[in-house]
Amino acid sequence: DQQVKQNSPSLSVQEGRISILNCDYTNSMFDYFLWYKKYPAEGPTFLISISSIKDKNEDGRFTVFLNKSAKHLSLHIVPSQPGDSAVYFCAASAHQTGANNLFFGTGTRLTVIP
Amino acid sequence: DTGVSQDPRHKITKRGQNVTFRCDPISEHNRLYWYRQTLGQGPEFLTYFQNEAQLEKSRLLSDRFSAERPKGSFSTLEIQRTEQGDSAMYLCASSLAGPIEQFFGPGTRLTVL
Repeated sequence: DQQVKQNSPSLSVQEGRISILNCDYTNSMFDYFLWYKKYPAEGPTFLISISSIKDKNEDGRFTVFLNKSAKHLSLHIVPSQPGDSAVYFCAASAHQTGANNLFFGTGTRLTVIP
Repeated sequence: DTGVSQDPRHKITKRGQNVTFRCDPISEHNRLYWYRQTLGQGPEFLTYFQNEAQLEKSRLLSDRFSAERPKGSFSTLEIQRTEQGDSAMYLCASSLAGPIEQFFGPGTRLTVL
């Protein structure tokens, strides 16, 4: 039962353009969302997060948007750089229930073409 | 380097053998998590410690798996009588008590032959 879904396994973008990675979730108890980036042979690296009380959070080139009614979030990277090429995981937490584990999607492989 | 460290990075074992992995969290973090990641999937939660207390276990954590965090610092994950289906990347993460963001180590890749 995949509660967090990333339906695009891969995405290719030209350097300098915008990358948009999408994520959908099914559990209405999720109240905190995170994006992680993963390079080969490394663990996931935390990028940016958003609480369900917000609809947008921005950190430099990275912006996460949350649409609670649609149970959808997206990560925007502007401008995209070749070093952004990695697998991106969306994760969610039902923090309000006292749970501490994260539920991850299956990832989207982003390739930024120079 | 003050990040999460894991040892070993790679482990190859034969079916039926026992294996043990170690995780050293970020020093001031009192929460420690174990996840498993198989090919094409995201990390899946296994278990969680706050200090030395194991507070949550996933249904994925069969009775062949045991985890400890004896002094609230490093943690070990042991798999007894390994099976080929145990082949995966085992990830450790740590966090402070308040923030939800978890910081991951590089993982231990287990291959069971």
